[in-house]
Amino acid sequence: DTGVSQNPRHKITKRGQNVTFRCDPISEHNRLYWYRQTLGQGPEFLTYFQNEAQLEKSRLLSDRFSAERPKGSFSTLEIQRTEQGDSAMYLCASSLAGPEQYFGPGTRLTVT
Amino acid sequence: GEDVEQSLFLSVREGDSSVINCTYTDSSSTYLYWYKQEPGAGLQLLTYIFSNMDMKQDQRLTVLLNKKDKHLSLRIADTQTGDSAIYFCARLIGNYGQNFVFGPGTRLSVLP
Repeated sequence: DTGVSQNPRHKITKRGQNVTFRCDPISEHNRLYWYRQTLGQGPEFLTYFQNEAQLEKSRLLSDRFSAERPKGSFSTLEIQRTEQGDSAMYLCASSLAGPEQYFGPGTRLTVT
Repeated sequence: GEDVEQSLFLSVREGDSSVINCTYTDSSSTYLYWYKQEPGAGLQLLTYIFSNMDMKQDQRLTVLLNKKDKHLSLRIADTQTGDSAIYFCARLIGNYGQNFVFGPGTRLSVLP
């Protein structure tokens, strides 16, 4: 198992465009999380899936953000009408039922 | 992450011990964690402690938890240059007890 993978690793987009990121969790991990990390800060929770169900969403997740996990395996995070304030590292993590969460390498988004 | 606080910088000499401190305000967390982040990378799980424990040791790492003072520390023995990174303290919260609140991170610099 190669761990949590995220694609792309870097994305540069113009303000107003839509972007989509993908996360592939560790196989058989039924729990998947998205976090956002801005420069010099710790990660902030965005949303949590158990299997295909999105069970928790942070108030940080505005209506321009949508996350899916259609088959309970990989997940996508879409940002519509990107703004410069969306520039950040988007981190995905996965876990089983226990307390250990494993993070992917992140997707760095730059909105110009 | 405003309820998890850490000092932002720490410098130590190679071979010395490092002690990274963290305080938090909410005592309801079940688990407390230490993650390591190297430049441009995701977060690496170092260790975690259940809230009813007061100490956990794992090779060069020792975690101390003082529940009364809501204080968590990470001691790294025989610090090496490869330990230079940002260290995040985190506590587990959420309606399902599954997402993290992270501190701002402590940047550890190891001097030769």
